[in-house]
Amino acid sequence: EDQVTQSPEALRLQEGESSSLNCSYTVSGLRGLFWYRQDPGKGPEFLFTLYSAGEEKEKERLKATLTKKESFLHITAPKPEDSATYLCAAVAGGTSYGKLTFGQGTILTVHP
Amino acid sequence: DVKVTQSSRYLVKRTGEKVFLECVQDMDHENMFWYRQDPGLGLRLIYFSYDVKMKEKGDIPEGYSVSREKKERFSLILESASTNQTSMYLCASGGTSPETQYFGPGTRLLVL
Repeated sequence: EDQVTQSPEALRLQEGESSSLNCSYTVSGLRGLFWYRQDPGKGPEFLFTLYSAGEEKEKERLKATLTKKESFLHITAPKPEDSATYLCAAVAGGTSYGKLTFGQGTILTVHP
Repeated sequence: DVKVTQSSRYLVKRTGEKVFLECVQDMDHENMFWYRQDPGLGLRLIYFSYDVKMKEKGDIPEGYSVSREKKERFSLILESASTNQTSMYLCASGGTSPETQYFGPGTRLLVL
């Protein structure tokens, strides 16, 4: 069974304090690893797709990386507006029509 | 910008009622998805559709049905609402890369 596990469940940072979120996955033949951001009361917003080990993607203060077993979302010098729930999702090889398996999410709070 | 809209942000229904949740996307995407999101369980796929009048079951289809009569519109139907269907319902659409999904704002459904 395909599985995606995120840690920690919640993370509190001071503004400017860099850190990383972890996403471990167990899927058959990973076809893609996705990161989404979700603000309270809203739907998830697409951030990144990673397809192969060693790949990195960046957007503002966020950088996503991928290994054969896990992905990291690095947050450099975060600001309060980065506070959100970050979701990781994986697609297995042979999966039909974009079936994503989501992790539980990491709730990030950045204090000013 | 991709826009996915959902018919209601909040709904309150009685047990046994038939409930319709509607989703509309404006990007001419072939693929559309319905998820529910519950604390501690993350996002779980209910149904998806890869073309007009085509549908496939997701991980938790029991108690739900769907309809896709037009490409831009995907409806989720609760035939006889039950209290365990109280949840946040999220619709998403995806194009040629269906794993890259764009979500609507969600409908928070309370079944009394």
